Amino acid sequence: NAGVTQTPKFQVLKTGQSMTLQCAQDMNHNSMYWYRQDPGMGLRLIYYSASEGTTDKGEVPNGYNVSRLNKREFSLRLESAAPSQTSVYFCASSEDGGGGQPQHFGDGTRLSIL
Amino acid sequence: GQSLEQPSEVTAVEGAIVQINCTYQTSGFYGLSWYQQHDGGAPTFLSYNALDGLEETGRFSSFLSRSDSYGYLLLQELQMKDSASYFCAVRPGNTPLVFGKGTRLSVIA
Repeated sequence: NAGVTQTPKFQVLKTGQSMTLQCAQDMNHNSMYWYRQDPGMGLRLIYYSASEGTTDKGEVPNGYNVSRLNKREFSLRLESAAPSQTSVYFCASSEDGGGGQPQHFGDGTRLSIL
Repeated sequence: GQSLEQPSEVTAVEGAIVQINCTYQTSGFYGLSWYQQHDGGAPTFLSYNALDGLEETGRFSSFLSRSDSYGYLLLQELQMKDSASYFCAVRPGNTPLVFGKGTRLSVIA
């Protein structure tokens, strides 16, 4: 089982460049999430998609856009990268948004913006 | 808003027992979860408590007191491989999980 797959694993960008982080899950989960993780800050939710066709803002959505392409795929786009967006980005999925449903995380994308 | 408090660091001896506490303040509450994350790795689900009491899974147990807005993760017979960060998380309502900032556990010989 691949679970949640994120690409790329590492990326270096220059300020102002754009890029899209890809995420795909093969567990037939309804809900998908994008988090960023910074030292000492835990996991902060950027955007989530409770089901195919819906997306909602999380705690830190500014500077990002998302697309739920289909049930399997949920992408995160940085339109104009800024150094403050240097972080580790995790995609996750769960069967639904219920508290008891565990979230399954991808291995992360380590993004540096110079 | 939502807030979760957990210690930033804990150190314990191999073979011992350690407890990681989590207190929360949320507008609603659907349960407390715990996740483990090794350095450079992805978070992985450990446990979930919706009701008061203790849930046991092998060497790990998790406790919840809804009246005290408090829970803890108990790790027994500590092993070096348990060195990791541990995050508590709550689901305030019909919204995704909110994570604490994490507790870094160091297991020493």
